Amino acid sequence: EAEVAQSPRYKITEKSQAVAFWCDPISGHATLYWYRQILGQGPELLVQFQDESVVDDSQLPKDRFSAERLKGVDSTLKIQPAELGDSAMYLCASSPLAGGPTDTQYFGPGTRLTVL
Amino acid sequence: GDSVTQMEGPVTLSEEAFLTINCTYTATGYPSLFWYVQYPGEGLQLLLKATKADDKGSNKGFEATYRKETTSFHLEKGSVQVSDSAVYFCALRDGQNFVFGPGTRLSVLP
Repeated sequence: EAEVAQSPRYKITEKSQAVAFWCDPISGHATLYWYRQILGQGPELLVQFQDESVVDDSQLPKDRFSAERLKGVDSTLKIQPAELGDSAMYLCASSPLAGGPTDTQYFGPGTRLTVL
Repeated sequence: GDSVTQMEGPVTLSEEAFLTINCTYTATGYPSLFWYVQYPGEGLQLLLKATKADDKGSNKGFEATYRKETTSFHLEKGSVQVSDSAVYFCALRDGQNFVFGPGTRLSVLP
C-alpha cells in the first residue's frame, strides 16, 4: 500500500538554527499539506499545495517558515531561525483531488521537532 | 468559519465496553466528515468517512453516521479492545478546507 514518506522522523536543534523537513506524497496525489501538531492538540494547517502552486499559506509564519514543492511532487518545509515554541510534530499529508467528493487526506508518520 | 468540537478526554474504558465519542461541527457548505486515529508517536490514519447526510462510515468495528439535522458525527464501537487505545480526531472537509477537532484520548484497560 502506498504511503506518504517523511524524513527525518526526529530532529533536535538549538534555537536560532535552521531546520528542514522533507515529504514525499503518494504517487499521483496532486494536493500536499503541511500541518503542525502541538502535543495534546489537533493538527493545524500551515500550507497547502496544488501541484507546485500554493493554495493556502494563510497560517504559515512567513517571517521564519518557508515551503516549496518545485516539481509538484516532493516538498520541503524550512524553519529559520527555529524558536522554542516551534517544538511540535510536523505532519505531511496528500490527497488525490482537492475538494472533490472523494477527497481524503493520507498522512505520513510525522517529524517530531524539539527546539532546545 | 468552519469548526469541529469533540468531547473532552481522556476517556477510560474497560475492555469489551461500549464506546461513544461525540463530534459536532459547524460548516458553511455541505462538508464531508472523517474520523482519524493516531497511535503514540505516529501520524494520523483514516478510520472512516462519510460524504453526505445519512451516510454511515464503518471500519474495524467502528462506525459513525452523518447527521445533518444535529450536525453530528459521533464515533461508536460495540466492544473496545486494549489495542484501540489511541487519540481519535474528528475532521471535516468543506471545499478545499480541512478542519480537525482537538482530539479525544481513549484508554482501554484489560
